[in-house]
Amino acid sequence: QQPVQSPQAVILREGEDAVINCSSSKALYSVHWYRQKHGEAPVFLMILLKGGEQKGHEKISASFNEKKQQSSLYLTASQLSYSGTYFCGTESGGVRKLIFGQGTTLQVKP
Amino acid sequence: NAGVTQTPKFQVLKTGQSMTLQCAQDMNHEYMSWYRQDPGMGLRLIHYSVGAGITDQGEVPNGYNVSRSTTEDFPLRLLSAAPSQTSVYFCASSYSGTATEAFFGQGTRLTVV
Repeated sequence: QQPVQSPQAVILREGEDAVINCSSSKALYSVHWYRQKHGEAPVFLMILLKGGEQKGHEKISASFNEKKQQSSLYLTASQLSYSGTYFCGTESGGVRKLIFGQGTTLQVKP
Repeated sequence: NAGVTQTPKFQVLKTGQSMTLQCAQDMNHEYMSWYRQDPGMGLRLIHYSVGAGITDQGEVPNGYNVSRSTTEDFPLRLLSAAPSQTSVYFCASSYSGTATEAFFGQGTRLTVV
């Protein structure tokens, strides 16, 4: 069962902030976030683990509410390079089976 | 380091034809998977493999077959292509275990007419 992302699309001006949400009906072990530029492959942003550990490579923050099975991705002071489609992926039951949401399209305008 | 390589990049098939999408990785990853991407549907898991000789179904496995004879390769077979299989297909690999980063190939754009 796919996690649900909201909103479906966001349009921002440079420097504005955005929040993308991801929720699941299953008990989650981890939440992954990826970004995809048009015509390219998805690229890893970060992983949030049950228990609070966070692993990532970019200056983008996220949270994971284990009780609500929800995660939020925070994009602050957005740049043109942040434009793309963001996907959350979830793992549950300790099984390596990464299920993605439907995606959130972010457009940052000058 | 090539990473995850998918071939072909583009393919047009006629309904009923069969074909194999190739995926190879050179990172010695145990876990490999196939996704299809359709507008508004996100990335949907077709099949996955936790190691050579072991495969399992994902969310949308019907119409697709896989096998994993080596660690490096994970081909996806369409036995009898249908227009509903028109999509962009991505192969991904990662180390085994949960909470590991997935590396994606550049995708194969398949059109079935």
